Amino acid sequence: SYVLTQAPSVSVAPGKTASLACAGDQIGGKTVNWYQQKPGQAPLLVIYYDSDRPSEIPERFSGSNSGNTATLTINGVEAGDEADYYCQIWDRTTDLVVFGGGTKLTVL
Amino acid sequence: QVQLVQSGAEVKKPGASVRVSCKVSGDTLTKISLHWVRQAPGKGPEWLGSYDPEDGKTTDTQKFQGRVTLTEDTSTNTAYMGLSSLRSDDTAIYYCATASLGAVAYYGMDVWGQGTTVSVS
Repeated sequence: SYVLTQAPSVSVAPGKTASLACAGDQIGGKTVNWYQQKPGQAPLLVIYYDSDRPSEIPERFSGSNSGNTATLTINGVEAGDEADYYCQIWDRTTDLVVFGGGTKLTVL
Repeated sequence: QVQLVQSGAEVKKPGASVRVSCKVSGDTLTKISLHWVRQAPGKGPEWLGSYDPEDGKTTDTQKFQGRVTLTEDTSTNTAYMGLSSLRSDDTAIYYCATASLGAVAYYGMDVWGQGTTVSVS
C-alpha cells in the first residue's frame, strides 16, 4: 500500500517560515491535501489540490507538490498555528485514501 | 452548507460490534460522498472507507480484515459505520467527513462530524 512519510516534529520561531514535508513515491503525480488538527478538534482542511486554499484559510498557508515530496509552507508563523499537520492522498491504484503520520508544529 | 452530526460515545467489550451514525443536513446522502476516518489516542487519522452515490462503497478490507460495514438510510439522511470483532486497539475517535467541493482526491474532506469516541475495554 502507498505510504506517506512526514517528520514527527518541526519547530519554528514566531514570524518565521515553516516548511512541512510529505514524502511519497512519485507523489508529484498525485494530488495532495493538507489538514491542521488542534487538540480536541476534528481535522481542518487547509490546502487541497496541492496548493489551493479554502476561503477561510489565511494566505500565509501555501502548498506545492513535485517529484517525491509535497510541502506545506506557513509564512509568518503565529502561535495559533501550533498544531498537528497531516497530508492526504487518494491512491488510484487501490482506490484507498491514505494519510501521512503527521508533523507536530511547535511555535517557539 | 453541509453539516454532519454523529451519535454519542460508546463503550464496548472485546469481540462486540459497534455502529456509529452520521446524520447529514444541508444536502442529501444521495448527492454527497461520505468518508469514515478514525483516530486512536496520540495517533494520526486512519481512513476506514467511504460511500459515494456514483461509485458505491469502498472500505480498506485488507487493513480492517472485512470488519467494516457501511450502510445508509436515505429516508433519514443518515449514514452508519459498523465495526465488528472489536479489539482494544479499535479504541479511537471515529469521524464521518465529506468532500463537499468534489472528489476527495482533489478537494479533500472539508466538512467533519464532531467525532464519536469508541472505547473497547
